[in-house]
Amino acid sequence: EDKVVQSPLSLVVHEGDTVTLNCSYEVTNFRSLLWYKQEKKAPTFLFMLTSSGIEKKSGRLSSILDKKELFSILNITATQTGDSAVYLCASGSNTGKLIFGQGTTLQVKP
Amino acid sequence: EAGVAQSPRYKIIEKRQSVAFWCNPISGHATLYWYQQILGQGPKLLIQFQNNGVVDDSQLPKDRFSAERLKGVDSTLKIQPAKLEDSAVYLCASSLRYSGVLGETQYFGPGTRLLVL
Repeated sequence: EDKVVQSPLSLVVHEGDTVTLNCSYEVTNFRSLLWYKQEKKAPTFLFMLTSSGIEKKSGRLSSILDKKELFSILNITATQTGDSAVYLCASGSNTGKLIFGQGTTLQVKP
Repeated sequence: EAGVAQSPRYKIIEKRQSVAFWCNPISGHATLYWYQQILGQGPKLLIQFQNNGVVDDSQLPKDRFSAERLKGVDSTLKIQPAKLEDSAVYLCASSLRYSGVLGETQYFGPGTRLLVL
């Protein structure tokens, strides 16, 4: 059965800290790994990764994929209170279907 | 570019009642998805449409859930009769193309929060 597992499930840090969120997957017909941020309702897209070892970066956020070891990490540096959210990773297949992990809840304290 | 629209935003019903949700995807997006997100979990795909055809409905509880996308644009998801365990956020998402293309980004609507009492 296809599955995506995230760790940790929750994390509490202080502003300015750096955090690393983990996502491992076991999925048939794997094509991509996506990261979303969910604050209230709708997940908003962060990154899509398709190639191993190539870091994607957007401001203080960065992510990388390891297709050999079947995992991805999302790094957030110099965290701010506005980074508090649930971070979801999802595997994308060749049919467009996304399988989501259970999410990591990040709380950034002032 | 307008995003994915959903209505209603909130719905409270009693068990055994019926409920319907509506979704209008981003203009030009051929693929539409309905997800169920139970509190504390990631979204779970219920059904995926490509234009007005069903691509994947393997996790749709077909004895009580139904969905349609008659003209290949907007879509409705219905639950009849509702159970307590259907309490969740129902998210609609759309993507530009059918994926066979490397990983298609999906854009999500604001969701409908359903509470079944």
